Amino acid sequence: GAVVSQHPSWVICKSGTSVKIECRSLDFQATTMFWYRQFPKQSLMLMATSNEGSKATYEQGVEKDKFLINHASLTLSTLTVTSAHPEDSSFYICSASPSIVPYNEQFFGPGTRLTVL
Amino acid sequence: RKEVEQDPGPFNVPEGATVAFNCTYSNSASQSFFWYRQDCRKEPKLLMSVYSSGNEDGRFTAQLNRASQYISLLIRDSKLSDSATYLCVVNPNNNDMRFGAGTRLTVKP
Repeated sequence: GAVVSQHPSWVICKSGTSVKIECRSLDFQATTMFWYRQFPKQSLMLMATSNEGSKATYEQGVEKDKFLINHASLTLSTLTVTSAHPEDSSFYICSASPSIVPYNEQFFGPGTRLTVL
Repeated sequence: RKEVEQDPGPFNVPEGATVAFNCTYSNSASQSFFWYRQDCRKEPKLLMSVYSSGNEDGRFTAQLNRASQYISLLIRDSKLSDSATYLCVVNPNNNDMRFGAGTRLTVKP
């Protein structure tokens, strides 16, 4: 099946620093990738939709200047959490879909656990 | 109203029991539906897609009722390994997905 990787799997950083998370589709091309955030015991919340070669579409309430998304190729999207603060500590998961219509299945990366001290 | 609503549980059942989860969605134009399984501190994994005619995969049966905007998942003969959080996922258009908060299941010996 389709494989999506994320790097790093976990990261601890100091408040005020920036953290970059990579999401790669290993055996398929993904025109669209998705970034989610999940707080403990809560559901996945879509942060943004990342389209290759164009600007990401952010969900309401997600600061685009804080969560920078770059989708430079059909197999790589990056999420940069700029000036991270403790409230940004969360589980960040990306997903990618190898198809668009009609019943697109998304394949998830293993997630990145971010802890901001 | 949330886009996708699930009973959070937890559901605590003995091995061998039958358990059913329900999910409602608000967008009547939703295109496709899925059940995902998420283990603690792991990413979600697709359990099964939900088709209009209903579908079955071994011990798992999914049903869709478009008129009531309702999805269900039935697990028969529960195993210890079924313990996880089950996420109802709705695709409101051809692109993004909306997740329910998940229903936590614990199967006990």
